[in-house]
Amino acid sequence: SQELEQSPQSLIVQEGKNLTINCTSSKTLYGLYWYKQKYGEGLIFLMMLQKGGEEKSHEKITAKLDEKKQQSSLHITASQPSHAGIYLCGADNSGSARQLTFGSGTQLTVLP
Amino acid sequence: EAGVAQSPRYKIIEKRQSVAFWCNPISGHATLYWYQQILGQGPKLLIQFQNNGVVDDSQLPKDRFSAERLKGVDSTLKIQPAKLEDSAVYLCASSFPGKAPAFFGQGTRLTVV
Repeated sequence: SQELEQSPQSLIVQEGKNLTINCTSSKTLYGLYWYKQKYGEGLIFLMMLQKGGEEKSHEKITAKLDEKKQQSSLHITASQPSHAGIYLCGADNSGSARQLTFGSGTQLTVLP
Repeated sequence: EAGVAQSPRYKIIEKRQSVAFWCNPISGHATLYWYQQILGQGPKLLIQFQNNGVVDDSQLPKDRFSAERLKGVDSTLKIQPAKLEDSAVYLCASSFPGKAPAFFGQGTRLTVV
């Protein structure tokens, strides 16, 4: 089965700083999803990556999938308190029953 | 377009009581998922439906958990009897057939005391 490892587990940054969250898969990724979550609430879809070397950006958040499709990174530029939350990566299993397997999440705190 | 709707948002029950959660998927989404997320961990799939049929329930603790989607739209997830370790956020997601579940509901946060 596919396993995803996220790092770091938690991150505290000063407002305005840049940061990167990593997601490493035990198998080649068919599709990789990034979500943001507030503690105890639902998941907010951020981006989906599917092609090796693909990069997508939305506002100050950029996600990349490496050429070998086994690692993804999420980069936030000039962080703001509104970026605080839990960031989760999810791998599409590409099977006939399409499912997502998730990493354990990265807790981001942005200090004003 | 309306998103995935879940209710209730929060629930506190005593152990050994029963509880039910409701999910209404995005219109037209034939595939529906229930995930359990213990706080501090990633979500774990409990059950996947395609219309009103079960696609995968291999990780559903069937001695106490049950789920149904009788008319292929709304779904309910039930726990009976609840244990302390069932305290978690229960997430519902939906998708078109053959697509991964990109969109999730707001979740139901269950506390078992």
